[in-house]
Amino acid sequence: DAGVTQSPTHLIKTRGQQVTLRCSPKSGHDTVSWYQQALGQGPQFIFQYYEEEERQRGNFPDRFSGHQFPNYSSELNVNALLLGDSALYLCASSLAGQSYNEQFFGPGTRLTVL
Amino acid sequence: QKEVEQDPGPLSVPEGAIVSLNCTYSNSAFQYFMWYRQYSRKGPELLMYTYSSGNKEDGRFTAQVDKSSKYISLFIRDSQPSDSATYLCALRDNTNAGKSTFGDGTTLTVKP
Repeated sequence: DAGVTQSPTHLIKTRGQQVTLRCSPKSGHDTVSWYQQALGQGPQFIFQYYEEEERQRGNFPDRFSGHQFPNYSSELNVNALLLGDSALYLCASSLAGQSYNEQFFGPGTRLTVL
Repeated sequence: QKEVEQDPGPLSVPEGAIVSLNCTYSNSAFQYFMWYRQYSRKGPELLMYTYSSGNKEDGRFTAQVDKSSKYISLFIRDSQPSDSATYLCALRDNTNAGKSTFGDGTTLTVKP
């Protein structure tokens, strides 16, 4: 049973560029959340997708957008990259409708903005 | 001020020691209290979670929640070198099922 997978593993971009990160949830999961983890800090919630719609959003600008596909996989897009966007981007999947829906994290995509 | 504060350490202990990791929080709406372990270059892995107050034990790990003090702890007994990692506390309320608020993590090294 494959867990959460993310691609690419590493990415280097320059300021002003755009980037797309991809996530495939754990088998059987229907909900995907994205987090940003800066070096030395804990993950910060970006947004969550369920039934192909953004359900919740953290305190991130509109430069951060996402999408969920019918197969539950998801993309995170970041436009007009800033140096401060350099971080580990984590995808977490879960199954909706439970009293406690455990989130399983992927290994992350490390984004470096030069 | 951050919603969740966690002592960043680093913490270095000898093998077999008892380790205590702690977080304090300010939002009384938090109902779920989680502890994650994160190895270098990996995603966080859930160790255990507690709903509301009380203690929960799983093998060598014990989680405690004191909602009156807004203080949570994770104890590791008989620590092993394989326990060396960053430990993150995370909190969630009942309404935001997807949004977990994390501490910044405590880096633990267990020396053989």
